[in-house]
Amino acid sequence: DAGITQSPRHKVTETGTPVTLRCHQTENHRYMYWYRQDPGHGLRLIHYSYGVKDTDKGEVSDGYSVSRSKTEDFLLTLESATSSQTSVYFCAIRPVGKGYGYTFGSGTRLTVV
Amino acid sequence: AQSVAQPEDQVNVAEGNPLTVKCTYSVSGNPYLFWYVQYPNRGLQFLLKYITGDNLVKGSYGFEAEFNKSQTSFHLKKPSALVSDSALYFCAVRPPNTDKLIFGTGTRLQVFP
Repeated sequence: DAGITQSPRHKVTETGTPVTLRCHQTENHRYMYWYRQDPGHGLRLIHYSYGVKDTDKGEVSDGYSVSRSKTEDFLLTLESATSSQTSVYFCAIRPVGKGYGYTFGSGTRLTVV
Repeated sequence: AQSVAQPEDQVNVAEGNPLTVKCTYSVSGNPYLFWYVQYPNRGLQFLLKYITGDNLVKGSYGFEAEFNKSQTSFHLKKPSALVSDSALYFCAVRPPNTDKLIFGTGTRLQVFP
């Protein structure tokens, strides 16, 4: 999707290894979000950010950490990957303003073996 | 707890027939309401939103949605379905005074020729 890219698109990793997913935006939007998508659960919020170095937890934050040192980048780290973290991860961005929806990236498919 | 329900995992409709994808929500106050569509191996794309005003909102690709405050519903509709409308549809709500979207579990729409 225009203005937001996620990397990598696909990753296979072993249980217990650290993994970092990257979300990069060129829209200069203040708000950034990480969601995971799983069958039967829809999208669930992991972490979100209001701005540089300003982050907060979502509903499924255990086992995940985030960092935002620049407006354009929002990193999601799995400190020690587990099989339950096999999922599709989506980043989203949103400008300031009450009526705006989110713009989503194309997703990262992560498999933990 | 605040939540969004999409009671149908799948909706099947013949091409040319009208379609409805249901969404109800449980949120205090006056939330913002959204519909997103996801095509295979893609991120979510914005379809339409309700913020305030007319209860019938029109969006992309000929879709519309009807907001019903008394029934706390926001059903997605289209007068004449196309095979290309086949995709996964998500309803989402943004509660008042928050910056987070809560998603339903998604409804797969299958349009048959």
